[in-house]
Amino acid sequence: DTGVSQDPRHKITKRGQNVTFRCDPISEHNRLYWYRQTLGQGPEFLTYFQNEAQLEKSRLLSDRFSAERPKGSFSTLEIQRTEQGDSAMYLCASQSGETQYFGPGTRLLVL
Amino acid sequence: AQSVTQLDSHVSVSEGTPVLLRCNYSSSYSPSLFWYVQHPNKGLQLLLKYTSAATLVKGINGFEAEFKKSETSFHLTKPSAHMSDAAEYFCVVSEVDNYGQNFVFGPGTRLSVLP
Repeated sequence: DTGVSQDPRHKITKRGQNVTFRCDPISEHNRLYWYRQTLGQGPEFLTYFQNEAQLEKSRLLSDRFSAERPKGSFSTLEIQRTEQGDSAMYLCASQSGETQYFGPGTRLLVL
Repeated sequence: AQSVTQLDSHVSVSEGTPVLLRCNYSSSYSPSLFWYVQHPNKGLQLLLKYTSAATLVKGINGFEAEFKKSETSFHLTKPSAHMSDAAEYFCVVSEVDNYGQNFVFGPGTRLSVLP
């Protein structure tokens, strides 16, 4: 399977803990996006990479959130000191041409 | 700045009848428009896209959408609904800004298909 993969698929954590998610885009896709989707809503843009450069961050991305794409391939999204409001599905997408291809998402539950 | 309005949060149709999911957008420039489908516990799948070519766009699984600039609409249609079409559908508008390509999702329309 050469699609976008995300790991883990599910994460349950206690409030205050740190969590890290990984996204492996489709190879040769230079652009990589992170989104957050809460129940009953459409995905909301969080941040975007062109190769290893993080070009844009949403105001939704507080200081507790950090994303990296060190070698321009896979990306990680870290949430520090998680809060219950961080519970959501975190989606990764890579882009070819003008089209985004989405991974299955990581569902985070903060207790 | 772009925005997307999906006029119906929930649409219910009977199997075999037509489907119409409505989408209106606002965009400063010439946008690209997409429809994605999300089945329960599945990832988002691209149905079709408009990128300034033909205004009537054909997608997968018999879906079509027509770009109408004068109405700023990109409604999704299918002549005959199938049970497997039951899912959440998202309209997406995209345009290029100073940082690259920006994608904005609508709130989604949940399609139910009744037997």
